[in-house]
Amino acid sequence: EMQLVESGGGLVQPGGSLRLSCAASGFIFRNYWMSWVRQAPGKGLEWVANINQYGSDEHYVDSVKGRFTISRDNAKNSLYLQMNSLRAEDTAVYYCAGNSDFRFDPWGQGTLVTVSS
Amino acid sequence: QSALTQPASVSGSPGQSITISCSGTSSDIGAYNYVCWYQQHPGQAPKLMIYDVNNRPSGVSNRFSGSKSGNTASLTISGLQADDEADYYCTSFTRSALWVFGGGTKLTVL
Repeated sequence: EMQLVESGGGLVQPGGSLRLSCAASGFIFRNYWMSWVRQAPGKGLEWVANINQYGSDEHYVDSVKGRFTISRDNAKNSLYLQMNSLRAEDTAVYYCAGNSDFRFDPWGQGTLVTVSS
Repeated sequence: QSALTQPASVSGSPGQSITISCSGTSSDIGAYNYVCWYQQHPGQAPKLMIYDVNNRPSGVSNRFSGSKSGNTASLTISGLQADDEADYYCTSFTRSALWVFGGGTKLTVL
């Protein structure tokens, strides 16, 4: 069974940093593009960033460019999102998702990030 | 990177059919056939229902179908069932090699 498990969420003050992790199992992780997608409380889905299979090509939504960095470790079957200079509007559930073949599948269960003083 | 436009809500009775629209531009929906639809029940992760405009993943009911005309994509659910009540999101790949989601549509089964 394809599975993604996120971790690392929590409460952080504005301007602070947080690193999210996503552990993959049940599929060949190194063959997949991967993405982070977030959902603010009571709001819709927003794509945040993605990375190619090799970690050599990354793309970001404008609102996080320069503050967030996506990375991966294929040896550990893991995806990461380093989030710096966090703002209140970054508060959301962050999902990791497989992003190959122009679709998001599978999805993790999400991890909640709350930016508040 | 403007969000795709979906109706905030739609409703239908059991057994009926409904259609959810997703409006974009020539830079996203109109540019490629890489439109997907996701179903999300409260407190759960999204689930892929349609990919490449009109393809269903294994295990998804054939009551779900997708289409596209110009810059607008649509999801049709036929034979509505109580468990179809959920939020639905469209998404499209864009000419900028980025992804954009719709604002989501809440489906109520009356």
